[in-house]
Amino acid sequence: EVQLVESGGGLVKPGGSLRLSCAASGFTFSSYSMTWVRQAPGKGLEWVSFIRGGSNKMDYADSVRGRFTISRDNAKNELYLQMTSLRAEDTATYFCARASSITGRSLDHWGQGALVTVSA
Amino acid sequence: DIQMTQSPSTLSASVGDRVTITCRASQSIASYLNWYQQKPGKAPKLLIFGASTLHSGVPSRVSGSGSGTDFTLSISSLQPEDFATYYCQQSHTTPYTFGQGTKLEIK
Repeated sequence: EVQLVESGGGLVKPGGSLRLSCAASGFTFSSYSMTWVRQAPGKGLEWVSFIRGGSNKMDYADSVRGRFTISRDNAKNELYLQMTSLRAEDTATYFCARASSITGRSLDHWGQGALVTVSA
Repeated sequence: DIQMTQSPSTLSASVGDRVTITCRASQSIASYLNWYQQKPGKAPKLLIFGASTLHSGVPSRVSGSGSGTDFTLSISSLQPEDFATYYCQQSHTTPYTFGQGTKLEIK
């Protein structure tokens, strides 16, 4: 069974940093691209970043480019999102999701989400 | 960036009704269009990928169509578990943007 479990969320002050982790199991992690999607309270979904299985390509939404860094450790089956220079508008639940090339890069499995709150 | 526009934002319907949600892309995305369902406090679930292919376990009363810039999600014979928020997403060009969502409410 595919499982994705996020951790590392919490309360951080504006300008601060936080690192989210996503532990993957139940599939060959290195064979899949992975994605971070966020959802501000009461709002819609926002695509944040993705990374290919071999870490040879990644991309970011303009809203986080230069502040967030996506990475992965295929030996540990873990995905990360390093967030710096955090702003109030980064407050959201952050989901990790698996992207499958078989399904046209759709997000076929999601974690339960990690809440990040940026507030003084 | 490719903009995805869903309509309507809110839809009221009754159990047994057929509903259709529309998603329009700001430029052609071929068939790289996905639909997700999200219930309050839960992660989204994939319903349809490639504009019209049902994901595993999705009931056949759900269907999708379209290509290029115009897409639709239809649900025939609404069931109580179908009342949720639905999002389209393009996976043609990064950033893989989402529509703003359509909340399907019980009338």
